[in-house]
Amino acid sequence: AQRVTQPEKLLSVFKGAPVELKCNYSYSGSPELFWYVQYSRQRLQLLLRHISRESIKGFTADLNKGETSFHLKKPFAQEEDSAMYYCALRPFSGSARQLTFGSGTQLTVLP
Amino acid sequence: DAGVIQSTRHEVTEMGQEVTLRCKPISGHDYLFWYRQTMMRGLELLIYFNNNVPIDDSGMPEDRFSAKMPNASFSTLKIQPSEPRDSAVYFCASSPRTGGIGYGYTFGSGTRLTVV
Repeated sequence: AQRVTQPEKLLSVFKGAPVELKCNYSYSGSPELFWYVQYSRQRLQLLLRHISRESIKGFTADLNKGETSFHLKKPFAQEEDSAMYYCALRPFSGSARQLTFGSGTQLTVLP
Repeated sequence: DAGVIQSTRHEVTEMGQEVTLRCKPISGHDYLFWYRQTMMRGLELLIYFNNNVPIDDSGMPEDRFSAKMPNASFSTLKIQPSEPRDSAVYFCASSPRTGGIGYGYTFGSGTRLTVV
């Protein structure tokens, strides 16, 4: 079984400060990892995925298999980054195609 | 493409009443998922379908919950009878079959259910 842990339910940082949202996972096979973002009362949107090794809206995330982590980082937070962030895992192969989500971290960027 | 459509944004019902939530997935997507979002539990997978067939309903909390997908373009989640603790935002999401690696889900806008 897979599990995703986001240890921080709430995180506040000041505008311009670096931000890191933590995500740890447990899964015996090869995982696909994702970050989803949900702005206030909107639908969840895919932010980025580890397979693409991309930077979206200044956010990056590196899959660290040794530490089983996929932390989301941004060097300079902006007020518009305030949102709920969910880390999610999916088995790379096999029939179980569903995403397992962490409990989410509410990020507030203060002016 | 209009995306995943959950046409009802807010649903208010009285305890004991039946409530049906509806979802239209993206055309061509073979997977459909129902999630429930609450402050306490975050996002919980309730059930998912592949090619209209329910694959895993282990997340459905009780027999009061049921879901159907009569065709590739429509799914329903029914709660009967509803209880106040069912109040939550219910999201529908869909995903394609192939090209799935690296491809996440597309979520609907969600239906906020309030049971009074």
